[in-house]
Amino acid sequence: AQKVTQAQTEISVVEKEDVTLDCVYETRDTTYYLFWYKQPPSGELVFLIRRNSFDEQNEISGRYSWNFQKSTSSFNFTITASQVVDSAVYFCALSESLFDNNDMRFGAGTRLTVKP
Amino acid sequence: NAGVTQTPKFQVLKTGQSMTLQCAQDMNHNSMYWYRQDPGMGLRLIYYSASEGTTDKGEVPNGYNVSRLNKREFSLRLESAAPSQTSVYFCASSELEFSGELFFGEGSRLTVL
Repeated sequence: AQKVTQAQTEISVVEKEDVTLDCVYETRDTTYYLFWYKQPPSGELVFLIRRNSFDEQNEISGRYSWNFQKSTSSFNFTITASQVVDSAVYFCALSESLFDNNDMRFGAGTRLTVKP
Repeated sequence: NAGVTQTPKFQVLKTGQSMTLQCAQDMNHNSMYWYRQDPGMGLRLIYYSASEGTTDKGEVPNGYNVSRLNKREFSLRLESAAPSQTSVYFCASSELEFSGELFFGEGSRLTVL
């Protein structure tokens, strides 16, 4: 079965620092899908990105960027010039299918605190 | 835009009591899910419903039952609550063709004494 490891339980940075959240995954499938979700203090998880295993291009969206490396089974998330509003718990997740509703596995999450 | 609405937000139960968590979505999604979130364990799927009229077990279904009342509503029932069911419960929904984008409610914090 697939597995997602987020080794960093908590990270604390000062505003404007860059921060990288690590995600390491395990899967036996050659086709799979990786995700990042953000859980702000309000509680509901918010989808950030989906990356397909066959697309190794890195993605940038504003201050957010994602580095997908199949060779190390990692899908790391970097926030550039962090802001207080980035404070949240971030979850990495893996699914081996887009059509199996039972399939998504989440990591334990990384709590990011950005101090002013 | 309500999205996914869960009730209640907080609940305290005694061991052995029963309760139902309600969930409703207004996005016309076919698929709905119940997850539990525990410290250090991320989110784990309890039950899901791929479409109206169907329900299936997820990773941790023991001690729970679900009902997909209609396309909008998906309830989670604890028949005889146990302290191990103390958790934060999340309802989510998605399109039938699962893109991976789950839409979550704000969560329901349940404490079983």
